[in-house]
Amino acid sequence: DAGVIQSPRHEVTEMGQEVTLRCKPISGHNSLFWYRQTMMRGLELLIYFNNNVPIDDSGMPEDRFSAKMPNASFSTLKIQPSEPRDSAVYFCASRTGSTNTEAFFGQGTRLTVV
Amino acid sequence: AQSVAQPEDQVNVAEGNPLTVKCTYSVSGNPYLFWYVQYPNRGLQFLLKYITGDNLVKGSYGFEAEFNKSQTSFHLKKPSALVSDSALYFCAVRGQGSARQLTFGSGTQLTVLP
Repeated sequence: DAGVIQSPRHEVTEMGQEVTLRCKPISGHNSLFWYRQTMMRGLELLIYFNNNVPIDDSGMPEDRFSAKMPNASFSTLKIQPSEPRDSAVYFCASRTGSTNTEAFFGQGTRLTVV
Repeated sequence: AQSVAQPEDQVNVAEGNPLTVKCTYSVSGNPYLFWYVQYPNRGLQFLLKYITGDNLVKGSYGFEAEFNKSQTSFHLKKPSALVSDSALYFCAVRGQGSARQLTFGSGTQLTVLP
């Protein structure tokens, strides 16, 4: 398996624009996570899905952020409108449904909002 | 609530010397504990985990960690450090039976000096 695949790897956008980050989890994994990493706040869980259903989105910072998982092999994280403080590295991770299994992370999307 | 503390932002060690990266945790009940490593511009990679059983857990690249329930610690160790071990290390915890997902520590930057 190619692992968790995220696209794009880098995104530079202007403030106010819509940004969409994409993730393909590992086949057979039914839990998917979106994290945000910044120097100031470290690694934060934004939202996670189980069997394509959002279970906990309490980490989503604002209504400008939304996430979807239309099927088991694809998820998106959208920011609309984007702001400079959204600049961060966004990671997607997936694992099997067992709670004692490790999550596998993608290589991340580095988002810069100017 | 669950939390993880990595008390050292930075650890420096000479190549060939033993290394320790510290982690303490707080959960209700028994924990699942994980260590991940992050190289520059990469996603987090799983190193090892404690689920149950033997308190000494062996993982990838010669790393090991010891679960100490009385001290609520899960320190990462390696007998002989390599320059290539230089990276950012994250400890993570989840309470067994908890509905919450992994909580990550703030990370420890390990630098192995040649």
